[in-house]
Amino acid sequence: RKEVEQDPGPFNVPEGATVAFNCTYSNSASQSFFWYRQDCRKEPKLLMSVYSSGNEDGRFTAQLNRASQYISLLIRDSKLSDSATYLCVVNGGGGADGLTFGKGTHLIIQP
Amino acid sequence: DADVTQTPRNRITKTGKRIMLECSQTKGHDRMYWYRQDPGLGLRLIYYSFDVKDINKGEISDGYSVSRQAQAKFSLSLESAIPNQTALYFCATSDSPGTAIQFFGPGTRLTVL
Repeated sequence: RKEVEQDPGPFNVPEGATVAFNCTYSNSASQSFFWYRQDCRKEPKLLMSVYSSGNEDGRFTAQLNRASQYISLLIRDSKLSDSATYLCVVNGGGGADGLTFGKGTHLIIQP
Repeated sequence: DADVTQTPRNRITKTGKRIMLECSQTKGHDRMYWYRQDPGLGLRLIYYSFDVKDINKGEISDGYSVSRQAQAKFSLSLESAIPNQTALYFCATSDSPGTAIQFFGPGTRLTVL
């Protein structure tokens, strides 16, 4: 079973719409959760950490469901500049510091 | 100036050649990492280092070696490059296990012919 799974997409969404995607993780002992954003041929950059109570940063809202072992990212009022690949990152796996990266969900915002 | 830099940014080489990719950081972080990214496979960890005297193998270390010359520098070598090592290589740093947040360099695009 893969440790961190994401729907690869692409998600094609009209500008201004709300879009949400999920990530599931296999290690119930995981403690840290993040969403990273990666533009084409560029480095991943931290978008936001995900806290147990859920958290919001402007148009972005992240939620954690420990019981079902999934993390979600909601983007409201989507902009063309939101087009990117979104990586789900979870600790508790086999990587250094226990970080495991999902393969990413590709989002395309259409005008 | 970028906090994490990588050189070269692009490199084309031939099978059997020795290649070194370099990473430098000004963030003052102890922990440094090398990943490769291939289409459809996501990021895979090659090697990581928690301080100058510490080197650890990652998920896919075969065919690679590393050197941690200083806190700020972490180099990745391909002793004898092969075509399936063609990929995008990223260096990353982090300051502690607590936050576990990693900061990535801009990447090196390596093509092995």
